[in-house]
Amino acid sequence: GENVEQHPSTLSVQEGDSAVIKCTYSDSASNYFPWYKQELGKRPQLIIDIRSNVGEKKDQRIAVTLNKTAKHFSLHITETQPEDSAVYFCAASGGSETSGSRLTFGEGTQLTVNP
Amino acid sequence: SAVISQKPSRDICQRGTSLTIQCQVDSQVTMMFWYRQQPGQSLTLIATANQGSEATYESGFVIDKFPISRPNLTFSTLTVSNMSPEDSSIYLCSADGQGTHEQYFGPGTRLTVT
Repeated sequence: GENVEQHPSTLSVQEGDSAVIKCTYSDSASNYFPWYKQELGKRPQLIIDIRSNVGEKKDQRIAVTLNKTAKHFSLHITETQPEDSAVYFCAASGGSETSGSRLTFGEGTQLTVNP
Repeated sequence: SAVISQKPSRDICQRGTSLTIQCQVDSQVTMMFWYRQQPGQSLTLIATANQGSEATYESGFVIDKFPISRPNLTFSTLTVSNMSPEDSSIYLCSADGQGTHEQYFGPGTRLTVT
């Protein structure tokens, strides 16, 4: 089955700096890679995703890059703000006909943005 | 995106009892999923709730412990049976609309077993 590794587990940055979180996956057939933000006590919120036919996707201060050859993808947050502080999870899915939309999650990154 | 609600939001239960969690989506969806998230940890998929057929369970989860129903395209239930303190966790449902792979989560049910 799919295995997703996420680094770092914790990340502390100063407000205005950039933050980068990296994930690797094991199943070369996976084709969908979402990122979720989870604030304390809240549900995971889908913030951006990328599909395997695209190398990069951007939405305002958030961007995701995908390297299919190396089987890794990254989340980039620019001009970080204190409200970006949360746990971020990467995930992968679509590795086989039987797996369908099943998501395999990374272990999460606690991002802290210091004012 | 789908709007998803869950009931109850939290419960405290005694060991040996069962709790049924309900998940309601505001639109018809193809796939619904149940996850478990222990405090400070990632999400672990319990099973995929299939409409009109039995749920598909992940390794380590069995139907006798976590029976699931999916009577229609907007609703599912997860029962946590014969509970022990190790079942204390947050249980989340999610829905994938129309095969897009995008999954949206319910608010979760915080279960404490004493």
